[in-house]
Amino acid sequence: DGGITQSPKYLFRKEGQNVTLSCEQNLNHDAMYWYRQDPGQGLRLIYYSQIVNDFQKGDIAEGYSVSREKKESFPLTVTSAQKNPTAFYLCASSIRRRGTGGHEQYFGPGTRLTVT
Amino acid sequence: GENVEQHPSTLSVQEGDSAVIKCTYSDSASNYFPWYKQELGKRPQLIIDIRSNVGEKKDQRIAVTLNKTAKHFSLHITETQPEDSAVYFCAASWQAGGTSYGKLTFGQGTILTVHP
Repeated sequence: DGGITQSPKYLFRKEGQNVTLSCEQNLNHDAMYWYRQDPGQGLRLIYYSQIVNDFQKGDIAEGYSVSREKKESFPLTVTSAQKNPTAFYLCASSIRRRGTGGHEQYFGPGTRLTVT
Repeated sequence: GENVEQHPSTLSVQEGDSAVIKCTYSDSASNYFPWYKQELGKRPQLIIDIRSNVGEKKDQRIAVTLNKTAKHFSLHITETQPEDSAVYFCAASWQAGGTSYGKLTFGQGTILTVHP
């Protein structure tokens, strides 16, 4: 299960506070992603980054921000503007597969954020 | 943008039976269709993927079929075993050969339970 790590595993915050979730990978992957997982809704893309110092909004970017200053790191900040921040957050990195040529995503263990 | 619908949301089978999970996608330009398995408390992992130029792909007890005209694809698991119990996610994406990232749109997930 090594290669991509997220910390902490559980995080509790009061409403109105910003919180930053950590994601680190030592797989030498260029692309990294943040997903939010809610019951019955699958994985929804928040932000993704193709390369250092570059990132794009995903489908549900409102209330979130990211940075990509190093290849290994892609932290996600959940701001007070996110209306429903309580969720399970998954970070991933990807590399092209030789067979299909599609990008295989390698996921971290996730961070469960609870905001009260 | 792409929209992926996945059915059923839950599936219960007896050990040894077959299981079929179906997904439809909206963007006819999508050309890459992976399936991920998430066991309880673990991170999602890729189990099989297919390109749009292939109609079917098999890997031991799992297979994926694709109907581009109807814009749907399915996961077939034969001779199910209790360790197949997990949440399965389909996904769709357009991925060109030279792209450095693989942004995916996931389905809502199917909870598969295999009873001994």
